[in-house]
Amino acid sequence: DAMVIQNPRYQVTQFGKPVTLSCSQTLNHNVMYWYQQKSSQAPKLLFHYYDKDFNNEADTPDNFQSRRPNTSFCFLDIRSPGLGDAAMYLCATGGPGEQFFGPGTRLTVL
Amino acid sequence: AQSVTQLDSHVSVSEGTPVLLRCNYSSSYSPSLFWYVQHPNKGLQLLLKYTSAATLVKGINGFEAEFKKSETSFHLTKPSAHMSDAAEYFCVVSDGDGYNKLIFGAGTRLAVHP
Repeated sequence: DAMVIQNPRYQVTQFGKPVTLSCSQTLNHNVMYWYQQKSSQAPKLLFHYYDKDFNNEADTPDNFQSRRPNTSFCFLDIRSPGLGDAAMYLCATGGPGEQFFGPGTRLTVL
Repeated sequence: AQSVTQLDSHVSVSEGTPVLLRCNYSSSYSPSLFWYVQHPNKGLQLLLKYTSAATLVKGINGFEAEFKKSETSFHLTKPSAHMSDAAEYFCVVSDGDGYNKLIFGAGTRLAVHP
């Protein structure tokens, strides 16, 4: 059974048009993460939630925001996508010693 | 600060031959180390993890890794490559904070040819 679910799997948006990516988890972990992974690169942590406490990485652009309405769900909002934001976005959750990743959402910006 | 260095960006092997993917780490204390695999357009899957128990760690799909403190290495091996092993492999260290931030190596692309 899927433990981390991301929707949609593929998202196409236009330059400057806001987009929201969704993630849900069935593991009931209190930490959730969002990563950005560009082609042929390692995943880069954007931010994470510890319960409702939001923790932004220092180099995450203001264009990226997140919401976590409850333990199971977490959203990534890109306010004004640019061409450079085209990437795979990975959601993860984890307890001590391991993170579980979703299948990712591939974002295309036209 | 913790970091990992994957020594090869690409590795190519023949099916049925051994696989060796090299990883060195830097950590100010006893680290937690992981290998993740990523098939094209998929999320990351945990292959194995080291968390200060046995130094030889066995993972899924026949992979294993040995933690060598004296060499600060955590190389991934498999005795016999299969075509389905072709993927990107990431060596990862946890920074040890309570929320388990992961620090990724640059990745090694494994190609397996017949």
